Amino acid sequence: AQSVSQHNHHVILSEAASLELGCNYSYGGTVNLFWYVQYPGQHLQLLLKYFSGDPLVKGIKGFEAEFIKSKFSFNLRKPSVQWSDTAEYFCAVMGSYIPTFGRGTSLIVHP
Amino acid sequence: GAGVSQSPSNKVTEKGKDVELRCDPISGHTALYWYRQSLGQGLEFLIYFQGNSAPDKSGLPSDRFSAERTGGSVSTLTIQRTQQEDSAVYLCASSLVVGKETQYFGPGTRLLVL
Repeated sequence: AQSVSQHNHHVILSEAASLELGCNYSYGGTVNLFWYVQYPGQHLQLLLKYFSGDPLVKGIKGFEAEFIKSKFSFNLRKPSVQWSDTAEYFCAVMGSYIPTFGRGTSLIVHP
Repeated sequence: GAGVSQSPSNKVTEKGKDVELRCDPISGHTALYWYRQSLGQGLEFLIYFQGNSAPDKSGLPSDRFSAERTGGSVSTLTIQRTQQEDSAVYLCASSLVVGKETQYFGPGTRLLVL
């Protein structure tokens, strides 16, 4: 069985602060990894994804994530957050055809 | 083009009643997923359809839950004899095929069982 753990449930930052959201997963085989974001009042949408190749992947709006296989981690980062990054962030792992999502991290950025 | 749509956007029902939730996927997407999101929880997988293959129902929490997909397009999730613990947001997503492809989510149906 696969599982996903997001360590930070609520994060509050000021604009221009750096962001790192943790995501750890457990699965015995090859996985595909995703970060989805849900802005207030909007649908869930893809932020970035990793399938293979360069473990550092870049997504929309300046976000990036690094896949560290030895640590079973796929942490999301952004060097300088903006007020518009206020949203709910979900990490997801797909080992087979069924994705498993983490509980989500609520990020609030103060202007 | 049009995204994934779901209806109704909100549904209030009484305990014991049946409800039907509808999902219209993106045209051409062969894969369709249903999820449930309870307050403060992540997305819980319920069921997925891939083309004309038999659906994977492994996430359905009880036999009160069922889903069908007609003509490889529109899907309906039915909850029979609703219980208060069924209150949640039900999300639908579609993708080109199952697996690696990006999933495109609908706005969800917020279900409240009184």
